Amino acid sequence: NAGVTQTPKFRVLKTGQSMTLLCAQDMNHEYMYWYRQDPGMGLRLIHYSVGEGTTAKGEVPDGYNVSRLKKQNFLLGLESAAPSQTSVYFCASSYQGARAGELFFGEGSRLTVL
Amino acid sequence: AQKVTQAQTEISVVEKEDVTLDCVYETRDTTYYLFWYKQPPSGELVFLIRRNSFDEQNEISGRYSWNFQKSTSSFNFTITASQVVDSAVYFCALSGNNFNKFYFGSGTKLNVKP
Repeated sequence: NAGVTQTPKFRVLKTGQSMTLLCAQDMNHEYMYWYRQDPGMGLRLIHYSVGEGTTAKGEVPDGYNVSRLKKQNFLLGLESAAPSQTSVYFCASSYQGARAGELFFGEGSRLTVL
Repeated sequence: AQKVTQAQTEISVVEKEDVTLDCVYETRDTTYYLFWYKQPPSGELVFLIRRNSFDEQNEISGRYSWNFQKSTSSFNFTITASQVVDSAVYFCALSGNNFNKFYFGSGTKLNVKP
């Protein structure tokens, strides 16, 4: 089982460039999330989705956009990258029902913006 | 406001010692959920436990135990007879009843030395 897969794993961008991070899950989960992890700050929610075609803002949405056109995929876009977006990005998905809240995380994507 | 505080930034113990990781939370919700996640050096976060606000029973799973006290808004995690493989960053997290958003603490890095 692949679980949650993120691509790419590493990326270096120049300020102003754009890119898209792809998250794919094969567990038929309804809920998907994008987090960023910065030293000393834990994980902060960027955007989330409770189902195909729906997205919502989290704690730190500025500078990011997302799309959930297919249930299994959740894309995170940076339209004009800034050095403040240098971070490790984690995608997660979750069951509903009895196991709701049990997040399954991808391996992370390390992004550096120069 | 929802907030999770992990005051211990880093803890070092010698193998076989017991260690407790502290977690204090703030929420106005009457129904909420608390979680612990482990992030080993490989980077991928792993779910450890979920506890709802109506269940204050302590839980034990092997060498791991969790103490939930609503009176002090704490959800502490104890590892008994620690092992080198327990070395990781541990995150405490809080969610409301709809699991749309998870609020993570800043994490506690546990170093277990042989």
